[in-house]
Amino acid sequence: GAVVSQHPSRVICKSGTSVKIECRSLDFQATTMFWYRQFPKQSLMLMATSNEGSKATYEQGVEKDKFLINHASLTLSTLTVTSAHPEDSSFYICSARGETGLKSGQFFGPGTRLTVL
Amino acid sequence: GQQLNQSPQSMFIQEGEDVSMNCTSSSIFNTWLWYKQEPGEGPVLLIALYKAGELTSNGRLTAQFGITRKDSFLNISASIPSDVGIYFCAGRIPPNDYKLSFGAGTTVTVRA
Repeated sequence: GAVVSQHPSRVICKSGTSVKIECRSLDFQATTMFWYRQFPKQSLMLMATSNEGSKATYEQGVEKDKFLINHASLTLSTLTVTSAHPEDSSFYICSARGETGLKSGQFFGPGTRLTVL
Repeated sequence: GQQLNQSPQSMFIQEGEDVSMNCTSSSIFNTWLWYKQEPGEGPVLLIALYKAGELTSNGRLTAQFGITRKDSFLNISASIPSDVGIYFCAGRIPPNDYKLSFGAGTTVTVRA
């Protein structure tokens, strides 16, 4: 399969600060990346779809000004949680969509655990 | 929101047993995917199904795409301790083939 990385793997921040999470496709180009949020013992909920060079498409109920997404290159998308609050604490997972041969399909990163104090 | 019903929610299984889990949907899917997630990690794709009626195996795992396109099952044969984890079904709903809807997950715990 294809490799997707996320950085950082864990982050703890104070309430009111902003946190940036990076998602990289390491061995393929991804025109589309997805950001998910997962609460403990729950499933993955799609937050937004990120397309390289264009604005992200947010799912209903997700605040675009709260969760800023930038997909500046074919291998990098970033999610910035602005003015984070304790209720934003969650496991954030990205996935990247590959289109060619063995790299076709949707591949997930290892996730980022965000804790807001 | 989610449109998939996954069951069972959890299961305790004896090492060596065969187990099965399934997902149903009120919508027609054109792709069914099965993932496994271990604590603190992202989901890993186990099996992908693209055609109604398709039966696909990956080692001890077997999954089928229901002929109605509204259901799928995953079987694990001869369970071993490393099968522990959460298994998710996911489907792509036409016409948006890029977005996935996930089931709630089945937590598998193996008794040695």
